[in-house]
Amino acid sequence: DIQMTQSPSSLSASVGDRVTITCRASQSISSYLNWYQQKPGKAPKLLIYAASSLQSGVPSRFSGSGSGTDFTLTISSLQPEDFATYYCQQSYSTPVTFGQGTRLEIK
Amino acid sequence: QVQLVESGGGLVKPGGSLRLSCAASGFTFSDYYMSWIRQAPGKGLEWVSYISSSGSTIYYADSVKGRFTISRDNAKNSLYLQMNSLRAEDTAVYYCARETGAVTPFDYWGQGTLVTVSS
Repeated sequence: DIQMTQSPSSLSASVGDRVTITCRASQSISSYLNWYQQKPGKAPKLLIYAASSLQSGVPSRFSGSGSGTDFTLTISSLQPEDFATYYCQQSYSTPVTFGQGTRLEIK
Repeated sequence: QVQLVESGGGLVKPGGSLRLSCAASGFTFSDYYMSWIRQAPGKGLEWVSYISSSGSTIYYADSVKGRFTISRDNAKNSLYLQMNSLRAEDTAVYYCARETGAVTPFDYWGQGTLVTVSS
């Protein structure tokens, strides 16, 4: 199975900050990397697919980059509604696997 | 609009069985692959099982293989997960989620249904 490792596991930031979350795969997954946002008590929501494509309806302050084994999710200017947990997921091979999550908290 | 609504969760004793359902609407269900994904309390996301649009291809996580069975009824726009020999470690919120293909993301998720395995 492909292991997905996110860093950091938690992060404190302020409204307006630029934030970057990193995801590393245990082997190359090309660009088959997706990012999700989850708020407490809610289902995950797809933000970015294929490493850098913005899902319809997602604000442009969210962006993704990377290929192979190293990927990043960047939020250019944090808004109050962005405080949540973020997960990366590889869809390169079965079983698909998720990172352990990054909890983004208000400083 | 796309809607996925899970049902069937609840409290069950270890060794017991439960059948989850996911009712789909707002899209052509038979065109899409579907998965079950679970989240133990306070933990991360774990993919459980996947079924192709026709039902001809099925995969399971090793943790549930031989105990869980995924199925779908395209005429009823419904996805199912039959869970047998349940263990305490199966306690989780179970989500159904839609995929457009075999290597695509989960673009829509249901709200989840809680399964608690406890004596």
